Amino acid sequence: NAGVTQTPKFQVLKTGQSMTLQCAQDMNHEYMSWYRQDPGMGLRLIHYSVGAGITDQGEVPNGYNVSRSTTEDFPLRLLSAAPSQTSVYFCASTFGLSTEAFFGQGTRLTVV
Amino acid sequence: GESVGLHLPTLSVQEGDNSIINCAYSNSASDYFIWYKQESGKGPQFIIDIRSNMDKRQGQRVTVLLNKTVKHLSLQIAATQPGDSAVYFCAEKVSGGYNKLIFGAGTRLAVHP
Repeated sequence: NAGVTQTPKFQVLKTGQSMTLQCAQDMNHEYMSWYRQDPGMGLRLIHYSVGAGITDQGEVPNGYNVSRSTTEDFPLRLLSAAPSQTSVYFCASTFGLSTEAFFGQGTRLTVV
Repeated sequence: GESVGLHLPTLSVQEGDNSIINCAYSNSASDYFIWYKQESGKGPQFIIDIRSNMDKRQGQRVTVLLNKTVKHLSLQIAATQPGDSAVYFCAEKVSGGYNKLIFGAGTRLAVHP
């Protein structure tokens, strides 16, 4: 099994550009989430989904949109990139109410 | 992917020594507390969890202690190995039916031969 796959691994955007970070999991997990990780800080929850068609906001949702049309995919959209969104982004999936989240390898995003 | 660990507190230990990584939490309503390990260039990886009604849980070479009186969580690693070098995060699972995890800032563990 591939687990959680994120693409791309690296991305540079100009301020104002939009893009979608892809996340796919092949473990049939209901729960998926997006985090951002900044220097000296832990992971902060952006958005999460408890199943196909259901999404909700986390701690830092502003500037990001998500959708969950299938169990496998949970893309994160940046509507108009800003330098403050320069970060490393991680997608994770969890089975049921388990505390064990499976993380992807991350996407390093730089907004110039 | 990348481990983002600048400006983190660092614990330096000698190979073979025991390590203790500490974490203070704030949400008394959390029903689980979890430790994750993040190696350079990788996403976080689950190590061990402890339910809020317990005060100690042991795994393979690791022990987690929970002190709810002072809202303190610790991870003890026995006989620390070079492969244990990583950033360690504590996390709280917010009670309420969904798997929302709130992460701490992290501690870097550096193991020296």
